[in-house]
Amino acid sequence: EDQVTQSPEALRLQEGESSSLNCSYTVSGLRGLFWYRQDPGKGPEFLFTLYSAGEEKEKERLKATLTKKESFLHITAPKPEDSATYLCAVHDPGSSNTGKLIFGQGTTLQVKP
Amino acid sequence: EPEVTQTPSHQVTQMGQEVILRCVPISNHLYFYWYRQILGQKVEFLVSFYNNEISEKSEIFDDQFSVERPDGSNFTLKIRSTKLEDSAMYFCASSVRGSGELFFGEGSRLTVL
Repeated sequence: EDQVTQSPEALRLQEGESSSLNCSYTVSGLRGLFWYRQDPGKGPEFLFTLYSAGEEKEKERLKATLTKKESFLHITAPKPEDSATYLCAVHDPGSSNTGKLIFGQGTTLQVKP
Repeated sequence: EPEVTQTPSHQVTQMGQEVILRCVPISNHLYFYWYRQILGQKVEFLVSFYNNEISEKSEIFDDQFSVERPDGSNFTLKIRSTKLEDSAMYFCASSVRGSGELFFGEGSRLTVL
């Protein structure tokens, strides 16, 4: 069964302490991997799209990378405002509908000042 | 910045009642979606809508559910005869190109008693 698995489930960092979040996927024929940020009680907010192994995208303190089996979201010198749940998603390979995503369960990041 | 708006933010209903959740997608977007998130679980796809018709629906989206775009701006999700297990956060999303870059609303929390 196609799956998206994120680790760790929760991560607590001190402000300025860099780390990485992992997203492993087992879908066949990846057509896109997406990172979203979700604040408590809010809808997911799009961050990045990655399409092929070796691709990297950056936005402020965040950098997303992709290999053939997993993606990493690297957080450099995080600040308390980076605290959120980070969701990874892939296109459902069984669907021609490219807006149909399979989400992972998320990594909840807490950054303490 | 354009955004997807959803109403109500929270609805409490009795089991067996009908509810309608409303969404106003971003005005130039052509693809519309409903996702839901049961508390503590993954975000999961319900249905996609394009060119005034359902383009795809998940196994969850049975005859109890329906969607409509009644007036060119609103996009609604109707749940007939609600069940306890329908309690969840329902997210509306839209996109320009039908890609995985979705713009989500803040969600409507449905509580079925």
